[in-house]
Amino acid sequence: GAVVSQHPSWVICKSGTSVKIECRSLDFQATTMFWYRQFPKQSLMLMATSNEGSKATYEQGVEKDKFLINHASLTLSTLTVTSAHPEDSSFYICSARVLAGVDEQYFGPGTRLTVT
Amino acid sequence: RKEVEQDPGPFNVPEGATVAFNCTYSNSASQSFFWYRQDCRKEPKLLMSVYSSGNEDGRFTAQLNRASQYISLLIRDSKLSDSATYLCVVNVQGGSEKLVFGKGTKLTVNP
Repeated sequence: GAVVSQHPSWVICKSGTSVKIECRSLDFQATTMFWYRQFPKQSLMLMATSNEGSKATYEQGVEKDKFLINHASLTLSTLTVTSAHPEDSSFYICSARVLAGVDEQYFGPGTRLTVT
Repeated sequence: RKEVEQDPGPFNVPEGATVAFNCTYSNSASQSFFWYRQDCRKEPKLLMSVYSSGNEDGRFTAQLNRASQYISLLIRDSKLSDSATYLCVVNVQGGSEKLVFGKGTKLTVNP
């Protein structure tokens, strides 16, 4: 299947700092990527939809000024968690659609963020 | 009512057993349905899409009942490697890109 990578795979940061997570489609171009967050024993929750060359669409309750998304190329989207707090500690996963109009998404391996 | 609800589990079964997972969804306009599996501390991986006529992939059979807004996954002859959390996933609006995930049902297959 399609390959999506994420970097870093895990990160520990201090409260108040910012963390950038990269999501790359390795063998295909992705006009749309998605960012999810998963807390322990909870569902994946969609945070935002990242569109190449335009502003991201955020889900209700997700602060766009706190979670900055940039999708500057067809193979790279980044999520920056600004002024991170311990409650932002979570598993952040990106995904990408392989083909426009097809609902199947392939997921990156995820980034485990711990804010101390 | 939650958009996607699954059996809470966990399920513990012996190798070779048949196990069934159930899922209901609330939005009748949902168009696409999937089962994903997620191993501990890993990303979800697509197991299979679910079609109206039902579909089978080896030991896995998925069924969809639109009238009841119900989806199922049947695993036959379960293997140790089937141990994972199974996620029911629904595209809640036709043509929309938004996938909604169930909370998942954890399966442990014991030797």
